[in-house]
Amino acid sequence: DGGITQSPKYLFRKEGQNVTLSCEQNLNHDAMYWYRQDPGQGLRLIYYSQIVNDFQKGDIAEGYSVSREKKESFPLTVTSAQKNPTAFYLCASNNAGYNEQFFGPGTRLTVL
Amino acid sequence: EDKVVQSPLSLVVHEGDTVTLNCSYEVTNFRSLLWYKQEKKAPTFLFMLTSSGIEKKSGRLSSILDKKELFSILNITATQTGDSAVYLCAVQTSGTYKYIFGTGTRLKVLA
Repeated sequence: DGGITQSPKYLFRKEGQNVTLSCEQNLNHDAMYWYRQDPGQGLRLIYYSQIVNDFQKGDIAEGYSVSREKKESFPLTVTSAQKNPTAFYLCASNNAGYNEQFFGPGTRLTVL
Repeated sequence: EDKVVQSPLSLVVHEGDTVTLNCSYEVTNFRSLLWYKQEKKAPTFLFMLTSSGIEKKSGRLSSILDKKELFSILNITATQTGDSAVYLCAVQTSGTYKYIFGTGTRLKVLA
């Protein structure tokens, strides 16, 4: 089955630790995105990548880092510099052009 | 600054009612407008609109775009409890291909 997988589903982190969220897609999509969703809010763009080995900052990139070494993978690292990392993180992908984004099931990160 | 605004923020209706959700936008380079339904986890795609005045329809849901007045509406007729969800509107911009999301409308349908 084609789709987007994210792992883990739930993640608990102590303050001061870096954590990496996984996002993998087998849809052969060129573009991949990371969003953050807080309660009662919409999706805010963290980083996005249109092609391998290239990515751009979104609206709230501070405290996050990404890599795009393979077309199918776009991991997100939440660093200790992120002041308020507790949130629901969604990964998405799509092909270039007039296309809808497909979303993964999300990772809920809680900082203890 | 590009922005997408949805209204109302939340809505409670009874089964059988018809609802209209609104999405207005201000973006530099409009490419398309998309509607998603989010129940618990991942948003699921409903519609993509690129041209003004052309209604898209899927069952009890329909949507239309007005590029002159910069807004879109999502209509749901004969609502059911299964329609309870957060409905997200997003605008894709050309050039950067970013998607800008609104805060969503939380719809609750009571039996």
